[in-house]
This record gives sequence, structure tokens and C-alpha cells, in this order.
Amino acid sequence: DTGVSQDPRHKITKRGQNVTFRCDPISEHNRLYWYRQTLGQGPEFLTYFQNEAQLEKSRLLSDRFSAERPKGSFSTLEIQRTEQGDSAMYLCASSLGTAQETQYFGPGTRLLVL
Amino acid sequence: EDQVTQSPEALRLQEGESSSLNCSYTVSGLRGLFWYRQDPGKGPEFLFTLYSAGEEKEKERLKATLTKKESFLHITAPKPEDSATYLCAVQDLRTGTASKLTFGTGTRLQVTL
Repeated sequence: DTGVSQDPRHKITKRGQNVTFRCDPISEHNRLYWYRQTLGQGPEFLTYFQNEAQLEKSRLLSDRFSAERPKGSFSTLEIQRTEQGDSAMYLCASSLGTAQETQYFGPGTRLLVL
Repeated sequence: EDQVTQSPEALRLQEGESSSLNCSYTVSGLRGLFWYRQDPGKGPEFLFTLYSAGEEKEKERLKATLTKKESFLHITAPKPEDSATYLCAVQDLRTGTASKLTFGTGTRLQVTL
């Protein structure tokens, strides 16, 4: 069990550029979640997948954000036309998919938009 | 809307000085309450899940308890390596079997020698 992995760990970009983050969940986990965390705050839910289906999206997820999980394994989160307000830690979590489940988090991708 | 409030925001303890962190929550129906530890620049690390009032769980110097309105994380004889931010989160029964976590803002704990 290698845990949840995320890539890259850090990303610095200029305003207006597009960025893409990758998350690899724990291998037997069929649910995958994305959260965003800003300094001094707890993580906030963005979206989640059951296998390859995206089943819920937060109103925080504007049209500039898109997430995919094409084969029910890894997931990508893309932010188009980045804004300075997008600067945050983007966290991925995965879970087994049972009724009473624990979400295990990856190390996060820290994004800085200049 | 689900709400989670953690107190205090920050806590400074001397090594060996026991204390408790509080997590008050409002949900329509509680599926589970979770405690995580987060070190600076890292993702949250799972500690405990509590499902019903009266439940308690322990791990080393940590003990989590749950009532119908709040949870406590008791830290007994803390060591400097216990320094971290402790996050509380809830899952709501309304959202079905797969449920997002709603987090509090955390308690930043610093344990000094």
C-alpha cells in the first residue's frame, strides 16, 4: 500500500495559464475526492468520483475547473485561465466505497498563481 | 448546511501538560465524525472515526470522544512531536453512502519542552 500520490507537489504559474494536477489513489479504492485548502482553513470539498463517474460537484468548482477519472484509476484536475485566487493546496483523497468509510489524503499540490 | 467549529484556534502546551481540543458540529444526521492530523505543507493524516454518541477511541496519547453535539480530542502527556494542526470533519447522512467531508478550521497545537 503506497498511499495516495499527487503530482506535482508544487506548481508556480502566471495568471491566465492553464494547469493540470494528477492524483493516483490507493489501488483498491473506487472513490476519489478533490478538496482545496487555503492558509488557515480546513479543506473544502470540490468534487468526487465513483469509479469513472463524477457524481458531485461543489459550487466552488467554477467553469474554469474540470476533473476527470477516465478509467476509474487516476484522476486529473485542470484549472483553465488561472487567477490569483486559485492559489491554494489542492488535496486528493480516496476511499474504499463502503457505507462507513475513511478518506485517506495525499500530500497535496501547492499552487501559486503570480 | 453542515457546520463544524473547532476551539481553541491555537494551543500551546508544555511537554506533559494534558489538554483537550473541542469540535462542535451541526448536521441533519451524522454518518461519521473524523479527526485528522496535519503537519505543515502535508496532507491530512487520518486519526479516528466516531459514529455514535458515547463512542470513544484511543491511539497512543490521543483519545477521541463523541456526544450528540460535539467531539473532544484529549491529549495526555503530549510530546513535541504531537505538534500539528488537528482537523475535525463530519459526514452527513443526507448525502447518501458516498459523502464529502465538511471540515472545521483546525486547532494548531504546539508542544514545547
